[in-house]
Amino acid sequence: EAGVAQSPRYKIIEKRQSVAFWCNPISGHATLYWYQQILGQGPKLLIQFQNNGVVDDSQLPKDRFSAERLKGVDSTLKIQPAKLEDSAVYLCASSPSAGVYTIYFGEGSWLTVV
Amino acid sequence: AQSVTQLGSHVSVSEGALVLLRCNYSSSVPPYLFWYVQYPNQGLQLLLKYTTGATLVKGINGFEAEFKKSETSFHLTKPSAHMSDAAEYFCAVSEGDSGNTPLVFGKGTRLSVIA
Repeated sequence: EAGVAQSPRYKIIEKRQSVAFWCNPISGHATLYWYQQILGQGPKLLIQFQNNGVVDDSQLPKDRFSAERLKGVDSTLKIQPAKLEDSAVYLCASSPSAGVYTIYFGEGSWLTVV
Repeated sequence: AQSVTQLGSHVSVSEGALVLLRCNYSSSVPPYLFWYVQYPNQGLQLLLKYTTGATLVKGINGFEAEFKKSETSFHLTKPSAHMSDAAEYFCAVSEGDSGNTPLVFGKGTRLSVIA
């Protein structure tokens, strides 16, 4: 079974530029998450999708971050304009339908803003 | 709101020694508890989880954890450390019985294993 796929794995951009990360969850997984992991900290939820609807985006900085999951499968997370403090690993994760309490993580997209 | 506290940002043990990584949680509902491991430049891998039932949970790579409601703890242990256990370990909590609720993570504990 293929895991959660993310790209690009690494990205370096200058502040005020934009960047987009892509995630393809495990086939058939209805729930998709984006987490932000700053160096030395645990992952923090940015947004949760159930199929193509947003369940929780309360911690997403909406002035600069956006995310979509148009067809209920893959998802894109965008940052525009980037700030230095956005340097982090962006982890995508997915899980099956409700009732299965296991979340599978991708390898992450590492962003450095200079 | 749920929260997780991992005591000790860095733990160092000798190869073959007991590994004990501490995790305390706060939750207003019965929690579901998880331990994840993260190797350098990789994503998170589930070690073990507690949902309901037996409070002693066994996971992969010889790790186990015990849910103690009275102490609001979910400490991770392994009887004998191996060099390959060196990694970052994260404890996480979610609201039980809600299904697919997001995980709230602790800040992590880096485990070093000394030969």
